[in-house]
Parts: sequence; structure tokens; C-alpha cells
Amino acid sequence: AQSVAQPEDQVNVAEGNPLTVKCTYSVSGNPYLFWYVQYPNRGLQFLLKYITGDNLVKGSYGFEAEFNKSQTSFHLKKPSALVSDSALYFCAVILSNFGNEKLTFGTGTRLTIIP
Amino acid sequence: DAGVTQSPTHLIKTRGQQVTLRCSPKSGHDTVSWYQQALGQGPQFIFQYYEEEERQRGNFPDRFSGHQFPNYSSELNVNALLLGDSALYLCASSLREMNTEAFFGQGTRLTVV
Repeated sequence: AQSVAQPEDQVNVAEGNPLTVKCTYSVSGNPYLFWYVQYPNRGLQFLLKYITGDNLVKGSYGFEAEFNKSQTSFHLKKPSALVSDSALYFCAVILSNFGNEKLTFGTGTRLTIIP
Repeated sequence: DAGVTQSPTHLIKTRGQQVTLRCSPKSGHDTVSWYQQALGQGPQFIFQYYEEEERQRGNFPDRFSGHQFPNYSSELNVNALLLGDSALYLCASSLREMNTEAFFGQGTRLTVV
């Protein structure tokens, strides 16, 4: 079985400061990892993904994430937070087996950027 | 290029009724997945359709059923609605290849009263 944990329900960061949203995963094979963002009353927007290769993945809106296999983590980061980054963030995982494309999501982390 | 579109955006139903939600995938996508997102929770996988067949199913009762049409659009049907079925229902489309990300629609907010 695959699972994702987002240990923080809420993260508050001052505007201009770096931000980190944490994610750890548990799978029995090679994971494909994703970050999605959700704004109020909206669907999920794709931010970035890790498939293979470089452990540092760059995505939309200046976000990046680092895949750490030994710590089974995939934390989302941004060097300088904007107020517009305030939203709900979800980490998700897929097992890299053909046909098993079900996304398993974490419970989400609400990010609030304080002006 | 239109993304994933879902209809309706909001819906109010009474317990025991039946509901049908619709989804048109992003142009060029052939796989449609449905997710239920209860308030304050992450999306939960309901099922996935490819080539007009249900390929995978999550832990949802048989009251939840679906269909995919030849043009890749999809419907989610829920029978005998319960209050606990109130949620945001998300449709996601993708290509069959493993390394393409899923694109999500804006969702249908279902309220059961």
C-alpha cells in the first residue's frame, strides 16, 4: 500500500521569508511524487513532479521540491514567499507501475503568508 | 485548449436521491479519474476509466458508478445519496503513460440535505 503524510496542518510564514511544506511517503517500489495547490472553491493545480533523475525539481510559480530517498521525503520549498502563495497544498504519490495510476494524497497543509 | 471541465459546479440533493456528475477531459487525454474530497480532507480516489472500462476502483460502495464515452468524457453516478456523500467531487484526466501528471477540473460541490 502507498501512503503520504503531511505532518503540518498549518504553516505560517512571513512574506519574503523562505517557506517549506513537508511531505513524507511510504511505497513498496519507486514512487512518482507530486505537489498540487488548491485555492478556495477551486480544483487542484499541478505544481511539480518527481519521476526520476535530479533530486531537486523545479516547478510553477517559483516552487521547488527535493526528493530524498533515504528519508522518504519530498518537501516543497520556495526561497521568498508571496501573499498570493496562501492556499492549501497537497502532496501525492503514484507507484511507478504501469496501470497503477491512482493518486494517493496527503491530508493537506494550509499555507498562510503573513504580509 | 480547454482544460478539464466539470458540470454542474454546485448541486443540492435530498437523501435517497440519485445524482449524475459530468466531466470532459483535457484535449488529447484518454484517461479519467474521479476523486471525492470531503471538507478538510485530501481527495480520495473513487475510480478510473480508460477505453470505456473501469480500470481501478477505490474503497467506495457500489452506489458509486461511472461511465466513459467514446469521446473520453465521463459521468459519475451516485445512488441512494447519504448525508455523508456531501463533498467536492473532482475529475482528473491524464494520458495513459505513467509519467504525465493528472489535470484536475474545478470540481462539483455536492450537498446532500
